[in-house]
Amino acid sequence: QQQVRQSPQSLTVWEGETAILNCSYENSAFDYFPWYQQFPGEGPALLISILSVSNKKEDGRFTIFFNKREKKLSLHIADSQPGDSATYFCAARTGGNNKLTFGQGTVLSVIP
Amino acid sequence: EAAVTQSPRNKVAVTGGKVTLSCNQTNNHNNMYWYRQDTGHGLRLIHYSYGAGSTEKGDIPDGYKASRPSQENFSLILELATPSQTSVYFCASGDTDRGLEQYFGPGTRLTVL
Repeated sequence: QQQVRQSPQSLTVWEGETAILNCSYENSAFDYFPWYQQFPGEGPALLISILSVSNKKEDGRFTIFFNKREKKLSLHIADSQPGDSATYFCAARTGGNNKLTFGQGTVLSVIP
Repeated sequence: EAAVTQSPRNKVAVTGGKVTLSCNQTNNHNNMYWYRQDTGHGLRLIHYSYGAGSTEKGDIPDGYKASRPSQENFSLILELATPSQTSVYFCASGDTDRGLEQYFGPGTRLTVL
């Protein structure tokens, strides 16, 4: 079963808009949630992450909002740029081990 | 800067053949991972390792073996390749003593005919 789910599968926004990517999970033991960015032909790279003890994490134009009660989180990309066009993966780690469970990804396209 | 390399970058194999995918990391990380990426599934963990000589089963280990002969190297072995193993394979390294990030290699595209 898919323990980490992402929506939408694909998202298109205009340059300058805020893109919102959603993620939900089932396992209450997940305690660390990284978002990875992947460009075509490359491996994923860590973009931003949050621990379950926090409800918000900001890094420049990228912000994670985390709702532990609802088991949901979202990645907001403010002032989207064409260079942000990529696939974004939400992942989750169970406390006590080093394994990540990935969602199926959201393909973001930013139109100039 | 973290460095994970994979070889080969592209591989075409025949059904029933043996395939070995190699990964090397220069980060001196203890942990290494093998994932496969398929459309609609994201990345799924096949095998991982906590250090030289250790291998652990991930979420989808069937049909795969792994080998960690040294801190730097981690191999994924398909003894009898099948078309269902056609995918893009990623290796990653990480060390929780130095943070939770996993560093990924560039991937190997495997096609099994």
